[in-house]
Amino acid sequence: QVQLVEFGGGVVQPGRSLRLSCGTSGFTFSIYGIHWVRQAPGKGLEWVASIWYDGNNKYYADSVKGRFTVSRDNSKNMVYLEMNSLRAEDTAVYYCARDVSGGRSQTPFDNWGQGTLVTVSS
Amino acid sequence: QSVLTQPPSVSGAPGQRVTISCTGSSSDIGADSDVHWYQQLPGTAPKLLIYDNTNRPSGVPDRFSGSKSGTSASLAITGLQAEDEADYYCQSYDSSLTVRVFGGGTKLTVL
Repeated sequence: QVQLVEFGGGVVQPGRSLRLSCGTSGFTFSIYGIHWVRQAPGKGLEWVASIWYDGNNKYYADSVKGRFTVSRDNSKNMVYLEMNSLRAEDTAVYYCARDVSGGRSQTPFDNWGQGTLVTVSS
Repeated sequence: QSVLTQPPSVSGAPGQRVTISCTGSSSDIGADSDVHWYQQLPGTAPKLLIYDNTNRPSGVPDRFSGSKSGTSASLAITGLQAEDEADYYCQSYDSSLTVRVFGGGTKLTVL
């Protein structure tokens, strides 16, 4: 079955960096877009970034643009989120989610990981 | 501040019908972008509930239905059950900013 598993979360000081990983299995990874969505404690969902199936198109929320970088390795069925210059407001559970397609603009997210918690605190 | 506006909470008794609204703008829902709905049970990851405005993924009961008109969309739940108690989120696409957008979420309480 389709599985996505996030890891790499933890406690990090403001201004530092952290890389999240999303491991996948159970589907042909190289034809699907992947998204990162985060949820601050007690808050709603916030879309963070998207990467198309081939890695050639990437999109970011304004709140993370210039600080976060999404990438993928289709040979390893992995997606990454490199987070730099972290701020307290980046504290959240980070989910990776599969697009139903290669990453076209209007398509939904049909499978989600369980999330990994990132806490930015001194 | 979320781009899509949802009521913070709704409630209903078992067996009743409730609706959750999702209001957008001319750059997202009103620009003919599809609306999707997700259900998030307490302590779990979101789950796709309705896609492309009105469609249910396999396994989602037909008690759940979606609609869209103009710059708004709605999720209706009929025959309310205790296990429907969850947070519900709408999601669409802002074609002017080329970003995905979520509503702020609605907490459904089954009385």
